[in-house]
Amino acid sequence: QSALTQPASVSGSPGQSITISCAGTSSDVGGYNYVSWYQQHPGKAPKLVIYDVSDRPSGVSNRFSGSKSGNTASLTISGLQADDEADYYCSSYTITSASTLVFGGGTKLTVL
Amino acid sequence: VQLVQSGAEVKKPGESLKISCKGSGYSFSSFWIGWVRQVPGKGLEWMGIIYPADSDTRYSPSFQGQVTLSVDKSISTAYLQWSSLRASDTAMYYCAKYNYGEPVAYWGQGTLVTVSS
Repeated sequence: QSALTQPASVSGSPGQSITISCAGTSSDVGGYNYVSWYQQHPGKAPKLVIYDVSDRPSGVSNRFSGSKSGNTASLTISGLQADDEADYYCSSYTITSASTLVFGGGTKLTVL
Repeated sequence: VQLVQSGAEVKKPGESLKISCKGSGYSFSSFWIGWVRQVPGKGLEWMGIIYPADSDTRYSPSFQGQVTLSVDKSISTAYLQWSSLRASDTAMYYCAKYNYGEPVAYWGQGTLVTVSS
């Protein structure tokens, strides 16, 4: 199955807000509220920052928020900080693969 | 919850390899283990899942026939194996605790596999 579609890169200045999109289909993002977002710093394992479209795990800053409209989910990071510079991946439950999960291609966030 | 993976491997093309992922701190048999490939400089790819209680295995289309997932629930360990490695298998491989519709909250530390002649 095809990966979910994310922009290759986004950037913003400290204190600003950015939004990363994650486009799928009605078989994944649009059909289920099981979209998650992960942050990955270089050389580290991914870290869950948003699950079930808009919920935050304990310990994740409330500067991270998620939403969904139709077949596209979005991650917004407000009040950008230097440590937010990382790769971000979305994932979704999918019915088009027996393994039931699909990732986005990833987005490199640069904090200017 | 902890997932501890085996160490880095350096192999030659055509060789076989089996890497491991040992789970602890939860009921290992009751949750799927998923495997993720990350080629250097590239994104995350979901390879497949295995259910330790009965070894039910589901592969993502791109990985069907390319790798084999297995598990030994008696020692809470899942495995990812190749029968004949290729240079294109060079990547970091992560295992993760998974359940349908749930987020991947727990990850192993990753195993770097390098395939080079």
